[in-house]
Amino acid sequence: NAGVTQTPKFRVLKTGQSMTLLCAQDMNHEYMYWYRQDPGMGLRLIHYSVGEGTTAKGEVPDGYNVSRLKKQNFLLGLESAAPSQTSVYFCASSYLTPGRLYNEQFFGPGTRLTVL
Amino acid sequence: ELKVEQNPLFLSMQEGKNYTIYCNYSTTSDRLYWYRQDPGKSLESLFVLLSNGAVKQEGRLMASLDTKARLSTLHITAAVHDLSATYFCAAMTGTASKLTFGTGTRLQVTL
Repeated sequence: NAGVTQTPKFRVLKTGQSMTLLCAQDMNHEYMYWYRQDPGMGLRLIHYSVGEGTTAKGEVPDGYNVSRLKKQNFLLGLESAAPSQTSVYFCASSYLTPGRLYNEQFFGPGTRLTVL
Repeated sequence: ELKVEQNPLFLSMQEGKNYTIYCNYSTTSDRLYWYRQDPGKSLESLFVLLSNGAVKQEGRLMASLDTKARLSTLHITAAVHDLSATYFCAAMTGTASKLTFGTGTRLQVTL
């Protein structure tokens, strides 16, 4: 199993350009998440999904859109990139257990995005 | 809204010394996680704490949870250089198992 993978690993954009980050997981997890990590601020939740075809806003959703057309994939889109979106983006996935036991999140390797 | 505060933000300690990282959270949480992150790498899960009084230990690291005080601690015993990393606590809430992270503690262990 590859676990959680992210594409691309690095990207440099100019202000106003658009791009899509791809997250894929092969663990048949129901839940998927997108976070951004900035220096001194920890990870902040952008959007998340509790199943195929569903998405919801997290703590910092502005400027981002997401789609979950297939259970194994979660896409994060930047329609018009801004320098404030320079960050490291992490995807994570998690599973639903009977009896609501702890649901550990598994993280991808990250995408380092720079917007000039 | 759940807030998670971690301190200290930066910790420089000598090998062989003991120290504790503190994690406070503002509202009731389902469970508390500790993660390790090495520079340029992803997050590695260290501990999950489910209930009041929970204590987990792995090597030189021990995590505990006091739900009444809304406090978790990560205690480092006899630090070694290999423990140098950034440590995050994160509290989980809600039916979607969302995580709210602390700001992280950058640990530097020196000889």
